[in-house]
Amino acid sequence: KAGVTQTPRYLIKTRGQQVTLSCSPISGHRSVSWYQQTPGQGLQFLFEYFSETQRNKGNFPGRFSGRQFSNSRSEMNVSTLELGDSALYLCASSFQLAGDSYEQYFGPGTRLTVT
Amino acid sequence: GQSLEQPSEVTAVEGAIVQINCTYQTSGFYGLSWYQQHDGGAPTFLSYNGLDGLEETGRFSSFLSRSDSYGYLLLQELQMKDSASYFCAVYGGATNKLIFGTGTLLAVQP
Repeated sequence: KAGVTQTPRYLIKTRGQQVTLSCSPISGHRSVSWYQQTPGQGLQFLFEYFSETQRNKGNFPGRFSGRQFSNSRSEMNVSTLELGDSALYLCASSFQLAGDSYEQYFGPGTRLTVT
Repeated sequence: GQSLEQPSEVTAVEGAIVQINCTYQTSGFYGLSWYQQHDGGAPTFLSYNGLDGLEETGRFSSFLSRSDSYGYLLLQELQMKDSASYFCAVYGGATNKLIFGTGTLLAVQP
């Protein structure tokens, strides 16, 4: 069974631009969660999608948005990029909602650098 | 709200035993998970405790005390490849989110 895939793996953007990241979950998994990871901050929860609906949202500004498609693939978008958005963005999938699953499967992440 | 605390760094020598603690504050609680992340890699699931007590998986064990809002990950017979960051995560609760701690960087020295 293929693991969670994320594209692109690396991305360099300029302040003010926008970016779209993609995540393909493990086949059959319906939940996709997104996390931002920065040094010293651990994994900060962004949002979770389940069956094309946003089920949970973290404490991030509205510049961060996402969506999920009928095949469970998910995208997250960050508009008006700021230097502080430079981070590793991880997605994780599970069959059930993350809060009902004790294990999530993570993708390799997208390393975003904002200059 | 929910918060988790773990030490930022731990150093140990090959072959030794190390314990990484995690204390949590959460409104509602279902269980505690542990994840390992090597530098530049994806977090991978290690263990889960839904009930009080010790769960053992090979060289790794995890413990939970719900009354103390405390858990730990125990790594035995340390190997160089165990050098990584270890995250505890609170599962469930009123927000139904999986919230991660800030991680403990384990350095295993020869």
